[in-house]
Parts: sequence; C-alpha cells; structure tokens
Amino acid sequence: AQRVTQPEKLLSVFKGAPVELKCNYSYSGSPELFWYVQYSRQRLQLLLRHISRESIKGFTADLNKGETSFHLKKPFAQEEDSAMYYCASLTIKAAGNKLTFGGGTRVLVKP
Amino acid sequence: NAGVTQTPKFQVLKTGQSMTLQCAQDMNHNSMYWYRQDPGMGLRLIYYSASEGTTDKGEVPNGYNVSRLNKREFSLRLESAAPSQTSVYFCASSEPAGGLETQYFGPGTRLLVL
Repeated sequence: AQRVTQPEKLLSVFKGAPVELKCNYSYSGSPELFWYVQYSRQRLQLLLRHISRESIKGFTADLNKGETSFHLKKPFAQEEDSAMYYCASLTIKAAGNKLTFGGGTRVLVKP
Repeated sequence: NAGVTQTPKFQVLKTGQSMTLQCAQDMNHNSMYWYRQDPGMGLRLIYYSASEGTTDKGEVPNGYNVSRLNKREFSLRLESAAPSQTSVYFCASSEPAGGLETQYFGPGTRLLVL
C-alpha cells in the first residue's frame, strides 16, 4: 500500500521567511503527487499537482525520485499562507483511483 | 453550482445509535469518496465509489456502510456508533484524470459519539 509521510506536524515561521513542508512517499512506480490545503473555515482544496509543474500562490513542489520526496516550498511566506497542508499520492486502478494523504502539516505564519 | 454538499454539519450521537451522513455533488463526477479526518492522521479513506452502482472499501471501512444512490449521491451509514468514530467526515468527488485529477471536497460533518 502507498504511504505518504509528513514529518512535521507544525511549522511556525515569520512573515517573509522561507517555508518548506516535507513530504515523503512510498511507491515503486511513477507517482502522481499533489498538495492540498485547508484554510481556516474553508474546504480542503487542491493547491498544486506534480504533473503540472506549476507555481500556485508562490508555492512550488519538486519531485525527487531518488529521495522519494515531494517537498512544498515558498521563498517568502505570507500571513494568508497559514493553513493545514496535506501531501497526497494517487493510486490509479481500473477499479477506481484513490488518494492517500499524509498526516498533514499546520503552517503558522507570524507577523 | 453548489459543488459537494454534506448534511448534517454537526451531530452528536450516543454509543450504539445509528445515523446516515448524506453527500451530493452537482459536477456530474463519476467518482465519490468518504474520508475521516483525525488530528495527526490526515485524511483516511473509508469507502469510495468509482462509478454509479459500485462501491469499494478504503483504508478504514470497519463500522461503516455506504450506498451510491445515483450518480449524484453517496451516503455513509454508521449502524452502531462508537466513540472511536468521533471525527470529522468529508465527502469528495472527482472525475478520473490521472495526474490531472482534482478531488472536490464538501464542507465536512463533525460527529461526536458519546
């Protein structure tokens, strides 16, 4: 079974400082990886996908197959980035696709 | 479009009581999911339905049953609630698209079992 590990439960940074959320996955093939975010009093929503190689709200994530990691980074954190972040890995099967989520990292950006 | 809706928002049950959590989506998605969210454990998949008429177990199915009533609706039933089922429950839907897939989540149901 796939496993996604987020080692940090809480990250506290000051506004303007860089922030990096760690994510490690276990999957022998080519993984499809995502970051989801849940802002206070809002629904869980997609932040970015590995396959799109996108930068969303200043966040980027690079897949490192050698280290089986998909860390999320932002060079200058903003207060509005305070949220719960989840890394997720997709299993694609004929019977249906399934997401496996990590335990989540709470980010607190202090003014 | 309302997206994914869930009812109720909050529920308190006594041990042994039963209840059904309702979920509906208006995006014409084939796949629907039920997760529970517990502190430090992230979201864990309870059951999912790849298409109308099919359901399958996820990571933590014990104590739950589901019904895919039609393409829009996917309900989760607790037959005999236990305190260990105190959690926040999320329903989600998606259209399979491999690495481009996006799951859309409902607002959640907070369940307390006493």
